[in-house]
Amino acid sequence: EVQLVESGGGLVQPGRSLTLSCVASGFTFDDYAMHWVRHSPGKGLEWVSGISSNSAITGYADSVRGRFTISRDNAKNVLYLQINLLKTEDTALYYCAKSLSLTIPAGGSWGHGAVVTVSS
Amino acid sequence: VMTQSPATLSVSPGERVTLSCRASQSVSGGLAWYQHRPGQPPRLLIYGASTRATGVPARFSGSGSRTEFSLTISGLQSEDSAVYYCQQYNNWPPLTFGGGTKVEI
Repeated sequence: EVQLVESGGGLVQPGRSLTLSCVASGFTFDDYAMHWVRHSPGKGLEWVSGISSNSAITGYADSVRGRFTISRDNAKNVLYLQINLLKTEDTALYYCAKSLSLTIPAGGSWGHGAVVTVSS
Repeated sequence: VMTQSPATLSVSPGERVTLSCRASQSVSGGLAWYQHRPGQPPRLLIYGASTRATGVPARFSGSGSRTEFSLTISGLQSEDSAVYYCQQYNNWPPLTFGGGTKVEI
């Protein structure tokens, strides 16, 4: 069974940094692209960032490019999202998602999310 | 840019609804639909514009190509109350969500 468990969220002051982690199990982690998607209060889902299976391809939403860095450790089955210069608008539930297949990057499996609250 | 309509639908159990999703440029068949219930992670319903994901009931169906897509839910049940999102994944990155359609039953 696929399991994705996010951690690292919390209450953070604006301008500070945070790193989210997603521990994966139940599948061959280094075969799949992975993504971070966030859900801000009162807003819709927003794809934040994605990374290919071998880290050769990374992508970011325009709203976070330059402040967020996605990475993965295939030896440890862990996906990361480093967030710098946090803004109040980064407050959201951050989901880790596994691509459906090698050729379909849509999110086939999801974690339950990590809450990030940015406030002074 | 992915644009969904309507923003909200209020329907009765047993009815059939069609949700629309329009892409600002062709995404070929790289279109997915998700169901998002409060307090739960999103659930993939449809990928490839029309293929149901594993375990998704047959009352959910997707259609369309290039820039015009739709999700039809037949025989609505109370547990179908949720926000539904389309997402394009053609030539990612990026993956782009639509703004969502809230279905109230």
